[in-house]
Amino acid sequence: SQQGEEDPQALSIQEGENATMNCSYKTSINNLQWYRQNSGRGLVHLILIRSNEREKHSGRLRVTLDTSKKSSSLLITASRAADTASYFCATDAPGSSNTGKLIFGQGTTLQVKP
Amino acid sequence: DGGITQSPKYLFRKEGQNVTLSCEQNLNHDAMYWYRQDPGQGLRLIYYSQIVNDFQKGDIAEGYSVSREKKESFPLTVTSAQKNPTAFYLCASSIRRRYTATNEKLFFGSGTQLSVL
Repeated sequence: SQQGEEDPQALSIQEGENATMNCSYKTSINNLQWYRQNSGRGLVHLILIRSNEREKHSGRLRVTLDTSKKSSSLLITASRAADTASYFCATDAPGSSNTGKLIFGQGTTLQVKP
Repeated sequence: DGGITQSPKYLFRKEGQNVTLSCEQNLNHDAMYWYRQDPGQGLRLIYYSQIVNDFQKGDIAEGYSVSREKKESFPLTVTSAQKNPTAFYLCASSIRRRYTATNEKLFFGSGTQLSVL
């Protein structure tokens, strides 16, 4: 069953603009993670936000978490062509505490035009 | 240079054939995972292992088998029973914290693209 769902499925912006991606999930979580995937490559971990945190920053990335709405957003500021990739949110699988099992959404494909 | 190595990068399977995908890590991680990714889709968990000589089925284990004889290695066999094996296969590993309820971040290999001839 789908735990995390990203929105939009695809996003196209100009270099320098900000990109916002959203993730909704269904059950309570311990943490939520965001990953990036370049075409044909493995995923790279970007940021982890715990259920008791509301916002987290890492360089040009800003992640928010609203547990009451079961949603998270990833903001990439001042985007660059090199940010072109797919972005996935991942949450704990229900009942999976300390198993390492994550459930991934279908991803948002971001295209940043130079 | 630490990381996860998957091989081969491309693999072709004939009908009725079993094929094995290799995954090796030198991160000293206890936990390892296999995910399947179909075009334009998210990742689905096939098998995972939290410790040597132990592994559990994920959400789509049918037609696959694994072994975990060494901490560093977690090979995945796609058997002939898997009727739709064409996909991108990703191996990952993570630290396993035994006494916390937190799932840690995953480190991924670069993937194996499996296609059917």
